[in-house]
Amino acid sequence: EAGVTQFPSHSVIEKGQTVTLRCDPISGHDNLYWYRRVMGKEIKFLLHFVKESKQDESGMPNNRFLAERTGGTYSTLKVQPAELEDSGVYFCASSPPTSGRLGNEQFFGPGTRLTVL
Amino acid sequence: RKEVEQDPGPFNVPEGATVAFNCTYSNSASQSFFWYRQDCRKEPKLLMSVYSSGNEDGRFTAQLNRASQYISLLIRDSKLSDSATYLCVVKPMGGTASKLTFGTGTRLQVTL
Repeated sequence: EAGVTQFPSHSVIEKGQTVTLRCDPISGHDNLYWYRRVMGKEIKFLLHFVKESKQDESGMPNNRFLAERTGGTYSTLKVQPAELEDSGVYFCASSPPTSGRLGNEQFFGPGTRLTVL
Repeated sequence: RKEVEQDPGPFNVPEGATVAFNCTYSNSASQSFFWYRQDCRKEPKLLMSVYSSGNEDGRFTAQLNRASQYISLLIRDSKLSDSATYLCVVKPMGGTASKLTFGTGTRLQVTL
């Protein structure tokens, strides 16, 4: 079974440019999450989709970040315009439809390493 | 104060040693607890969930102390392949509240 995939694996852009990251979750996983690790810091939650709906976007840093999941399959995360502090590794994770009190394991993709110059 | 606190290490131990990592969390509403493993420049992968009664998976033992809001991971008979960063992760009640909160990780280096 294919795991979570992310594209691109690396992206180097200049401040002020736009970048779009893509995540393809594991087939059948309704839950899709975006996380980010800025250098030297812990991995932090950005947002959570259930199918095509945003369930929790409390971790989105500001309105330069826009996440979509049209059709409830793959998701994109757009940063426009990018700033230096946006550099980091962006991870996507997915999990099956929630069952039980404790929910399900989240499976992570390999991440997109974003560098803003 | 960070929601999940870990000693960043690194812990440098010889093969065969026993090593223990600790983690504290601040949100008493946290309901689920995990240890993830992350290799250099790779994604985090679930190592094991942590249950109140404590649980063991081969050489790995995890324990949870809810009263002290403290989680531990013990690795026995360390192997070179155990070298990685170990992330302490907590989650609030399941259902819709599914976001994971990570510690910064504890780096382990197992040497010959």
